[in-house]
Amino acid sequence: SYVLTQPPSVSVAPGKTARITCGGNNIGSGSVHWYQQKPGQAPLLVVYDDSDRPSGIPERFSGSNSGNTATLTISRVEAGDEADYYCQVWDSSSDPVLFGGGTKLTVL
Amino acid sequence: QITLKESGPTLVKPTQTLTLTCTFSGFSLSTSAVGVGWIRQPPGKALEWLAVVFGDDDKRYSPSLRSRLTITKVSSKTQVVLTMTNMDPVDTATYYCAHTPPIGSYYNNWGQGTLVTVSS
Repeated sequence: SYVLTQPPSVSVAPGKTARITCGGNNIGSGSVHWYQQKPGQAPLLVVYDDSDRPSGIPERFSGSNSGNTATLTISRVEAGDEADYYCQVWDSSSDPVLFGGGTKLTVL
Repeated sequence: QITLKESGPTLVKPTQTLTLTCTFSGFSLSTSAVGVGWIRQPPGKALEWLAVVFGDDDKRYSPSLRSRLTITKVSSKTQVVLTMTNMDPVDTATYYCAHTPPIGSYYNNWGQGTLVTVSS
């Protein structure tokens, strides 16, 4: 079955750029979505269809997807960005919806 | 404004059947491409997708849990019910329902979640 692989943790200093990857076999052929989840809260969609942002999400959040890797990029990281981040794909041929294992972003 | 809220028991015994209800507003589940899905998250662990039902009553399930799950639109079309049979302690998790928009494969609105503990 299809697997999405995320690094368990990423650390970044305030003001710097964080990059969180999501690996999957030929993931670039489909759409990838990203969620932010803070402790005790429901997930929040921050990027959909590889690189689009829902209303209200800062431009600091961006995404890309090519080959076997999708990437969520957070520019000018703030303390409030500290959270778990999950990638998600839809694959109607197998697991209709699949989440990655999540990445904990720590702001140093 | 789209809102969703989960309701159901907070504690179930092993082997029992769990029934959760998602009550939503701000959209109609009569539109074919709109959907309501269920996702769960064991304490300290990752999100796990369970099932989705679309406005045209198309239903999809997680292959690993398909035999235990049933998702249903309630006739009023403002509720979606998920049942999971043969509950086990490993099913202890926060269960979320979420909205998926037309022509979308993502979940852009989530309920607050409800914690279900499986214990005797």
